[in-house]
Amino acid sequence: QITLKESGPTLVKPTQTLTLTCTFSGFSLSTSGVGVGWIRQPPGKALECLALIYWDDDKSYSPSLKHRLTITKDTSKNQVVLTVTNMDPVDTATYFCARRRFGASFDYWGQGTLVTVSS
Amino acid sequence: DIQMTQSPSTLSASVGDRVAIACRASQSISTWLAWYQQKPGKAPKLLIYKASSLESGVPSRFSGSGSGTEFTLTISSLQPDDFATYYCQQYSSYWTFGQGTKVEI
Repeated sequence: QITLKESGPTLVKPTQTLTLTCTFSGFSLSTSGVGVGWIRQPPGKALECLALIYWDDDKSYSPSLKHRLTITKDTSKNQVVLTVTNMDPVDTATYFCARRRFGASFDYWGQGTLVTVSS
Repeated sequence: DIQMTQSPSTLSASVGDRVAIACRASQSISTWLAWYQQKPGKAPKLLIYKASSLESGVPSRFSGSGSGTEFTLTISSLQPDDFATYYCQQYSSYWTFGQGTKVEI
């Protein structure tokens, strides 16, 4: 059974750095073709892909947010970590992590975690 | 960046209706397109990948078609559980989602 779960702060202040952890089970991030990505959704708005890390440690970032994002993985712990610097109220959103299956995009998702940016 | 445009934004329908949602890419993405269903407060659920491949466990009333820049998600007979928001997503170059189509009663 494949599961993913996001964890991290629910409230951050403007200019702070957000660190989110995705802990997964039921698959390995060492398997060829597999990746884990972060996707966010502001309240009432559409989905936006932020970053993805692959089994071979290759990484892809949103072109518009690349300068603020870092994604890393700890294969032994089955975790993927996303950091977002210089948080702003417009970054208030539900943040999801999801597994990327080669050829199929995101096939399993975490439940999401709501992050509010406010002073 | 590849932009994805869905139409309509909102669709009013009844149980049993045949429903079609369109998705257009700003440039050719071959068949690197997925469709997701999202209900309020829940994560998206993958329905269709590679434009027309049905994800395991998804009812056969859902189907996808298209290639290049024009794609369609069709629900052959709308069921009560299908009232939700649907998103297309391209994964030809990075990943971008459409703005969503809400299917309401």
